[in-house]
Amino acid sequence: AQRVTQPEKLLSVFKGAPVELKCNYSYSGSPELFWYVQYSRQRLQLLLRHISRESIKGFTADLNKGETSFHLKKPFAQEEDSAMYYCALRRGGSNYKLTFGKGTLLTVNP
Amino acid sequence: GAVVSQHPSWVICKSGTSVKIECRSLDFQATTMFWYRQFPKQSLMLMATSNEGSKATYEQGVEKDKFLINHASLTLSTLTVTSAHPEDSSFYICSAVPPREETQYFGPGTRLLVL
Repeated sequence: AQRVTQPEKLLSVFKGAPVELKCNYSYSGSPELFWYVQYSRQRLQLLLRHISRESIKGFTADLNKGETSFHLKKPFAQEEDSAMYYCALRRGGSNYKLTFGKGTLLTVNP
Repeated sequence: GAVVSQHPSWVICKSGTSVKIECRSLDFQATTMFWYRQFPKQSLMLMATSNEGSKATYEQGVEKDKFLINHASLTLSTLTVTSAHPEDSSFYICSAVPPREETQYFGPGTRLLVL
């Protein structure tokens, strides 16, 4: 069975500092990885997916199959980045089911 | 963008009663919707996959007779918590997948409190 691990429940950084939210996964096949974000009092929304290889709101994430990781990075954190971040895995194929990590609460201090 | 709504946003009920939660895709048709449960400060746990026109697929450990799912149309799925008990109190979230996309779009969630 697949599993997603986010080792940090809480992460606090200062504005302008780099930030990295860790995500490791275990899955024997070819997974698709996602990062979802939930701002205060808002619904869960997709931030980025590894297939897109794009940067959203300054965030990037690279899938490292050797290390089975999909860490989320941003070089200069902003206060508005404060939110709950969830890493999620989808198994290959047409099944849309997602397995979520437990989430990391990021706080960016002024 | 794809929008998913849920109704009600919160509900309080007495133990032993049943509660129905609606999930609607507002600007697209969804053959597949998902129902999640989220406990305070914890992650989303998938409860079931709702398939339009067929029976829902439940995750291991989820009682199908307790959590009835009906996906009667391409824009509506309902979750009914039958004979609710205080331990059913939680935050229930649905999501839907638009055609030709592989991304789940989430509803705002429904907070259920069973007294």
